[in-house]
Amino acid sequence: AQSVAQPEDQVNVAEGNPLTVKCTYSVSGNPYLFWYVQYPNRGLQFLLKYITGDNLVKGSYGFEAEFNKSQTSFHLKKPSALVSDSALYFCAVRDSSGGSYIPTFGRGTSLIVHP
Amino acid sequence: NAGVMQNPRHLVRRRGQEARLRCSPVKGHSHVYWYRQLPEEGLKFMVYLQKENIIDESGMPKERFSAEFPKEGPSILRIQQVVRGDSAAYFCATLRELSGANVLTFGAGSRLTVL
Repeated sequence: AQSVAQPEDQVNVAEGNPLTVKCTYSVSGNPYLFWYVQYPNRGLQFLLKYITGDNLVKGSYGFEAEFNKSQTSFHLKKPSALVSDSALYFCAVRDSSGGSYIPTFGRGTSLIVHP
Repeated sequence: NAGVMQNPRHLVRRRGQEARLRCSPVKGHSHVYWYRQLPEEGLKFMVYLQKENIIDESGMPKERFSAEFPKEGPSILRIQQVVRGDSAAYFCATLRELSGANVLTFGAGSRLTVL
């Protein structure tokens, strides 16, 4: 079985400050990990992924995420937040040993960046 | 959301009516996933289809819900005898190859409101 947890329903940060949105996962095999962003009344947009290789993954809009196998985490980060980053963020995981491609998503974390 | 078209974007039904949600992936894409987003619950997998076949329907409610992806035409998610609890955003996604990995690409969603 695979699962993902986003322990924070909401993250508040001031514009210009660094931000972190947390994600932990559980899989039987090796994880494929993803971050998506959802703006109001829109679909999910892909931000970045970890499949293999470098633990620090860079993605769209200046976001990055760090894969930590020992802590089973894949936290999303950005050095300097923008008000326009305010949105709902979803972490997703898929077990690489799975026979079908069905990612499991977290509950989502609402990021609010204050001016 | 480029390449995955969903309609209608908004649908209002009264209890007991039927709802039909359509998803058209980019021509040539044969994989379709349906997810449901309920308030406070995040994104839940419903069904995974390839052309004319249901691959995994483990997330579909046992009654009133059905899905198809015919050889010609869009994928259809059908909800019979809707109840208020069916009110949600329904997202369709297809697979896109990105840097050696398959990534879900989502449509803008169909928002169902049951009165």
